[in-house]
Amino acid sequence: DSGVTQTPKHLITATGQRVTLRCSPRSGDLSVYWYQQSLDQGLQFLIQYYNGEERAKGNILERFSAQQFPDLHSELNLSSLELGDSALYFCASSGPRANYGYTFGSGTRLTVV
Amino acid sequence: AQSVTQPDIHITVSEGASLELRCNYSYGATPYLFWYVQSPGQGLQLLLKYFSGDTLVQGIKGFEAEFKRSQSSFNLRKPSVHWSDAAEYFCAVGPDSGGYQKVTFGTGTKLQVIP
Repeated sequence: DSGVTQTPKHLITATGQRVTLRCSPRSGDLSVYWYQQSLDQGLQFLIQYYNGEERAKGNILERFSAQQFPDLHSELNLSSLELGDSALYFCASSGPRANYGYTFGSGTRLTVV
Repeated sequence: AQSVTQPDIHITVSEGASLELRCNYSYGATPYLFWYVQSPGQGLQLLLKYFSGDTLVQGIKGFEAEFKRSQSSFNLRKPSVHWSDAAEYFCAVGPDSGGYQKVTFGTGTKLQVIP
């Protein structure tokens, strides 16, 4: 157990639907990062939050949004889902300094049918 | 912008043989460098990291990596590979040029270990 909890582990949904992925960071970590991993795109950075504020944005589609709540858990919302959104979605957390490294959750596997 | 290149998409080694996975980076200053490992169906796990000091860093599971500034490289090594080392390995560099903690990952190298 890495200390980063992601739910659900698996999600199957239809095109056009909306889903919410949840992440609880490791105790004490203020930063949360979301990544998408697919066979053709590799590991793609989506967005980072630090203590409730958005800090960095990557290749995140407009149909996707995220937030970090006061208790530091984060949610990634994916809407108007397309077949191409099928992927593994990882959450990671880190301490306050860039050299700490990330702790990853075990991911949510999203399948859009 | 920083970038990481892992030139080997797939590597096959025999169990007990030595291993070296290559990583080259592009970064404007002294980087923070990381190696992560991902077993099938799992999240990524931090193997080791470098941000200052001794350029040879030791990590978990018997891995080590050497930072070579002149070659912009941070290659991962292991003297004797075990079958359980079969996984995908990712090199990463950071922090983001904006000073944030975000790092950039390479495309990964898949390691296959044969008996």
